[in-house]
Amino acid sequence: LAKTTQPISMDSYEGQEVNITCSHNNIATNDYITWYQQFPSQGPRFIIQGYKTKVTNEVASLFIPADRKSSTLSLPRVSLSDTAVYYCLVGDKAGNTPLVFGKGTRLSVIA
Amino acid sequence: SAVISQKPSRDICQRGTSLTIQCQVDSQVTMMFWYRQQPGQSLTLIATANQGSEATYESGFVIDKFPISRPNLTFSTLTVSNMSPEDSSIYLCSVTGHLNYGYTFGSGTRLTVV
Repeated sequence: LAKTTQPISMDSYEGQEVNITCSHNNIATNDYITWYQQFPSQGPRFIIQGYKTKVTNEVASLFIPADRKSSTLSLPRVSLSDTAVYYCLVGDKAGNTPLVFGKGTRLSVIA
Repeated sequence: SAVISQKPSRDICQRGTSLTIQCQVDSQVTMMFWYRQQPGQSLTLIATANQGSEATYESGFVIDKFPISRPNLTFSTLTVSNMSPEDSSIYLCSVTGHLNYGYTFGSGTRLTVV
């Protein structure tokens, strides 16, 4: 059973900021939150990971409230090439257990 | 992150036959996993490949149908046995334990059973 819940799909215009929220009410103390991106015919690709508060890298930001029961992936100024499925996952940092995927969010960016 | 070579990248197979998929990593990794992704769906975990012992299968997947080997820390195979059209999917391997945190995925094997 997937540990996370996210919207099935989202649409956005190019140049807009996109925020995808994920619920993980039963997150464990030692779980980290990680987001992956998957293009058709490719394996999922790591985007960003965090434990609490805010994390930012060159492609995205991740916002995690104090209770850690949800998180929001923020993609600034999306382009057509950001059209993909985005998965939110929780798991231990050491990677000793397999990731359990939810349904993911299919983001469509429109010109 | 680790670099994964997964072969074949795609294949079309006759029903009743078997296909072995290889996952080769460029460095030693701790954990290796196999997933299935049916068309338009999310990834479903098949099993954890354990080095030197039998794989750990998830509910709904059995060793007779999906035998897995992992002879060392850089290589694993998944066999899809006695295939039927329902086995048409993308099969992906994933690894962890390479340097920094992160689950790395292969590019997948697209299997079509006719």
